[in-house]
Amino acid sequence: GAGVSQSPRYKVAKRGQDVALRCDPISGHVSLFWYQQALGQGPEFLTYFQNEAQLDKSGLPSDRFFAERPEGSVSTLKIQRTQQEDSAVYLCASSARTVPETQYFGPGTRLLVL
Amino acid sequence: GQNIDQPTEMTATEGAIVQINCTYQTSGFNGLFWYQQHAGEAPTFLSYNVLDGLEEKGRFSSFLSRSKGYSYLLLKELQMKDSASYLCAVRDQGGFKTIFGAGTRLFVKA
Repeated sequence: GAGVSQSPRYKVAKRGQDVALRCDPISGHVSLFWYQQALGQGPEFLTYFQNEAQLDKSGLPSDRFFAERPEGSVSTLKIQRTQQEDSAVYLCASSARTVPETQYFGPGTRLLVL
Repeated sequence: GQNIDQPTEMTATEGAIVQINCTYQTSGFNGLFWYQQHAGEAPTFLSYNVLDGLEEKGRFSSFLSRSKGYSYLLLKELQMKDSASYLCAVRDQGGFKTIFGAGTRLFVKA
């Protein structure tokens, strides 16, 4: 398929464990976004990449959160020393250009920290 | 601060029309989006407004008034499959950050 894919779809982690969440955007899409969505809430912006450049990381909640997109395609969101409040769905979205336009979302990774 | 308000829940009858309102107060504005999200699934794009007025797309229409910080999504000829959350989102002036509302859960009953 040509959509945005994310892996794993589900992740259970013990508190204190490090996790890595992967996003494969639509091929050729310049813009890539990461969001955190708590149950019953809308997605909250975490960070934005334009190609390999991370242009906005103002939404990352702490220095335990780190994102990269080294070759301008696949992106990884890493959470170090996970805590229970990190439990949420992590959504990745991509769009073809840099101007405001629709974002195509992946299915998300549901993270549960015990 | 950044704030987007929309009703938490709405209920409507199959075949009817429903209007979901959204008011926003953001530090910048570079477009307003509506997304549909079924439970456990990813949001999918419905509409985009950057200028004042009404945008129509099939059974869905979206209206924007920038001076009032107000938008609505109008759904006509409701179908059971329209039961979902509807997310209002505003794109920041810089063009990168998108602020989402908490969503309106719409229940369509027979």
